[in-house]
Amino acid sequence: NAGVTQTPKFRILKIGQSMTLQCTQDMNHNYMYWYRQDPGMGLKLIYYSVGAGITDKGEVPNGYNVSRSTTEDFPLRLELAAPSQTSVYFCASRQHDLYGYTFGSGTRLTVV
Amino acid sequence: DAKTTQPPSMDCAEGRAANLPCNHSTISGNEYVYWYRQIHSQGPQYIIHGLKNNETNEMASLIITEDRKSSTLILPHATLRDTAVYYCIVSTGNQFYFGTGTSLTVIP
Repeated sequence: NAGVTQTPKFRILKIGQSMTLQCTQDMNHNYMYWYRQDPGMGLKLIYYSVGAGITDKGEVPNGYNVSRSTTEDFPLRLELAAPSQTSVYFCASRQHDLYGYTFGSGTRLTVV
Repeated sequence: DAKTTQPPSMDCAEGRAANLPCNHSTISGNEYVYWYRQIHSQGPQYIIHGLKNNETNEMASLIITEDRKSSTLILPHATLRDTAVYYCIVSTGNQFYFGTGTSLTVIP
């Protein structure tokens, strides 16, 4: 029972590079989310999905893209990395809109 | 938009009950109150949620006032492992917006 798995755990990017943060869940959850957390701050919602093929913006979507081709996977794409995107990124999922989230362990990204 | 207000920090003696308050005076009728905690740099962990009745599970109790404008999370016997940031969130369910929470320190 792996839950929510995020890869990689750590990454250093140069300004202007691109990368994809991977998130997969094995609980057959419909809802999936991406959050970022800056040092000493709460989590900010980037994008979310209520099911395969459906995505929507959260509070801070600029500079990111997502896709949801399967129930299990919800990758987050950074096209042109900027220092402002240095953060810890958390993926989460849940079965139903009244249930609690299950979070992954996070990806720590540094853009230099 | 901050929908909830929590004290930035609290201390609690080990073995005593930790009572964490949350104000949500603008809560609407279909919004639930959720509590999560985040230990160090880990992903947040779901604790409990409720609509208007008090709730209890193996981790904690949630007391919601009759007017639903505030709530209290109770950890009945705090341990050192309960040291964490605790987030109170109100939501209809689709999206959660996390504030800065309450940093709880359990003191030996």
